[in-house]
Amino acid sequence: GIQVEQSPPDLILQEGANSTLRCNFSDSVNNLQWFHQNPWGQLINLFYIPSGTKQNGRLSATTVATERYSLLYISSSQTTDSGVYFCAVEIGGSYIPTFGRGTSLIVHP
Amino acid sequence: NAGVTQTPKFRILKIGQSMTLQCTQDMNHNYMYWYRQDPGMGLKLIYYSVGAGITDKGEVPNGYNVSRSTTEDFPLRLELAAPSQTSVYFCASSYGGGGAYNEQFFGPGTRLTVL
Repeated sequence: GIQVEQSPPDLILQEGANSTLRCNFSDSVNNLQWFHQNPWGQLINLFYIPSGTKQNGRLSATTVATERYSLLYISSSQTTDSGVYFCAVEIGGSYIPTFGRGTSLIVHP
Repeated sequence: NAGVTQTPKFRILKIGQSMTLQCTQDMNHNYMYWYRQDPGMGLKLIYYSVGAGITDKGEVPNGYNVSRSTTEDFPLRLELAAPSQTSVYFCASSYGGGGAYNEQFFGPGTRLTVL
């Protein structure tokens, strides 16, 4: 099956810093989503982005489908950004998303 | 819209007991999913359904059963609970049909401990 690798596995930042999280995948995908799992365990949709670039406030994401990777940018990080960031991909014709193992982010005040 | 709701939030089971985790969505989504998340890991798919009356196995179906009698509900049944089933269980749904219609929305999760 498709392999999804996220890097880095862990990231510690000071408030106000910028960061880039990466998601590599081993096959062509139809769908790609980024999620934030907050410290209370809730999974929150960030982006649905099988290709191209999207922005939402301090967060933006870019997927380069032909090169099989996606990037999540967090600018001016805040303590509320702490948690785990997952990407999930879906290959064509499949109903089954495959999740990466996530990037754990801690933002210190 | 309440979105995807799950009950209970927490549960402790003894080895060998059975229980049903409830999942309901009010977004008229066709597709529904059950995942488990073990500590420090990503999500693994247990079962999924593309519509009422249709279910299929995911990556880790052993020890679980599902049914989908209505569009809204997708209960997950644990028979003969084992310590290996200690996990956080998430239900998700999507409209289905490809493209942005496959964007998934998650419930708040059920934390299950089997002792």
